[in-house]
Amino acid sequence: AQSVTQPDIHITVSEGASLELRCNYSYGATPYLFWYVQSPGQGLQLLLKYFSGDTLVQGIKGFEAEFKRSQSSFNLRKPSVHWSDAAEYFCAVYGGSQGNLIFGKGTKLSVKP
Amino acid sequence: KAGVTQTPRYLIKTRGQQVTLSCSPISGHRSVSWYQQTPGQGLQFLFEYFSETQRNKGNFPGRFSGRQFSNSRSEMNVSTLELGDSALYLCASSTRLAGVNEQFFGPGTRLTVL
Repeated sequence: AQSVTQPDIHITVSEGASLELRCNYSYGATPYLFWYVQSPGQGLQLLLKYFSGDTLVQGIKGFEAEFKRSQSSFNLRKPSVHWSDAAEYFCAVYGGSQGNLIFGKGTKLSVKP
Repeated sequence: KAGVTQTPRYLIKTRGQQVTLSCSPISGHRSVSWYQQTPGQGLQFLFEYFSETQRNKGNFPGRFSGRQFSNSRSEMNVSTLELGDSALYLCASSTRLAGVNEQFFGPGTRLTVL
């Protein structure tokens, strides 16, 4: 069965520092992968998605993610974090037979001033 | 263009009652998906409606049901509420079947079951 694992429940970084959020997936075929962000009291917003092609994907708000098939990973990165990036981040894979998204449990990002 | 709206935003019910949540998608979007978000289970897919027909369904009991109207607005109903139904219920809309297409999420309805 398809699944997504986000190993880090909570990460704290200093403002201006770089960020990497980990995501591992389990999927038999070529996966369709997504990163969403959820700010407090808000719904989820799509940051970026990977379907095929270039394994480095650029998204909104300065985020990027790299697809590594050999490691079954799709890690999210940002070179310099801003205080407004504090939120919860969800990795997701298209569930194929289920017909919708399967989400990881999320990583909560805190940003220190 | 207005985003996805959900009403009510907060709801308190007691065990055994039933509840109806409403979702209005972005204008022109024909697909509405529902998700349950809890601290323990995370985000779980409930079902998706497209053109008034349920197209996909997650692994939830029959107490959870939904429908979609001709204007694409959707309602979700939970009957015989249990304490474990306390959650944030999110709906998301997309132009076509959700699948691999971008979904736009509403702010959610926070349901508390006492």
